[in-house]
Amino acid sequence: DVKVTQSSRYLVKRTGEKVFLECVQDMDHENMFWYRQDPGLGLRLIYFSYDVKMKEKGDIPEGYSVSREKKERFSLILESASTNQTSMYLCASRAPGAAYEQYFGPGTRLTVT
Amino acid sequence: KQEVTQIPAALSVPEGENLVLNCSFTDSAIYNLQWFRQDPGKGLTSLLLIQSSQREQTSGRLNASLDKSSGRSTLYIAASQPGDSATYLCAPCYNNNDMRFGAGTRLTVKP
Repeated sequence: DVKVTQSSRYLVKRTGEKVFLECVQDMDHENMFWYRQDPGLGLRLIYFSYDVKMKEKGDIPEGYSVSREKKERFSLILESASTNQTSMYLCASRAPGAAYEQYFGPGTRLTVT
Repeated sequence: KQEVTQIPAALSVPEGENLVLNCSFTDSAIYNLQWFRQDPGKGLTSLLLIQSSQREQTSGRLNASLDKSSGRSTLYIAASQPGDSATYLCAPCYNNNDMRFGAGTRLTVKP
């Protein structure tokens, strides 16, 4: 079974803090993704990575950065957390090709106060 | 811009009913389409994937169909159970990295 794990289920941080969200997958997938999910806005792509050290911006990259030093690990970084970054963050991974499913982690509910 | 619409937004049915969830997408040039379920406060669980060359996929009580030319997909759930209660998301994928999501259909199956 594919497994995508996220470092925290719930996280509370203060405005201005630097926040790291970690994601690890165990299926040797090339592609990894970070989304945020908000009521009424659905899932929106923040960043994705198609290989180690490779990254591309998604629809809403402002205020975020990412790091992929190893194939199995993809980190999302909030450089200076703000209250409008309070959200559910979801990590996903997928092998390249149309025949392969995308798998999601359990999510991290981040609250910035 | 690719848009994904799911109808109905919410559905409540008694246990045992068969039901259909609908998804439409404006850009029919899809790579594949995936159906997910999401329980409250949880991540997404993959249910079925249909490649653009396929018409349908089945897994247990679930059957998903795809009409690429008209930009539609349906998810059929047979003999619904209370454990099927969740939000169901349709997600057409436009290339290796561009997956779009509908707002979901919130399903409640009453015992």
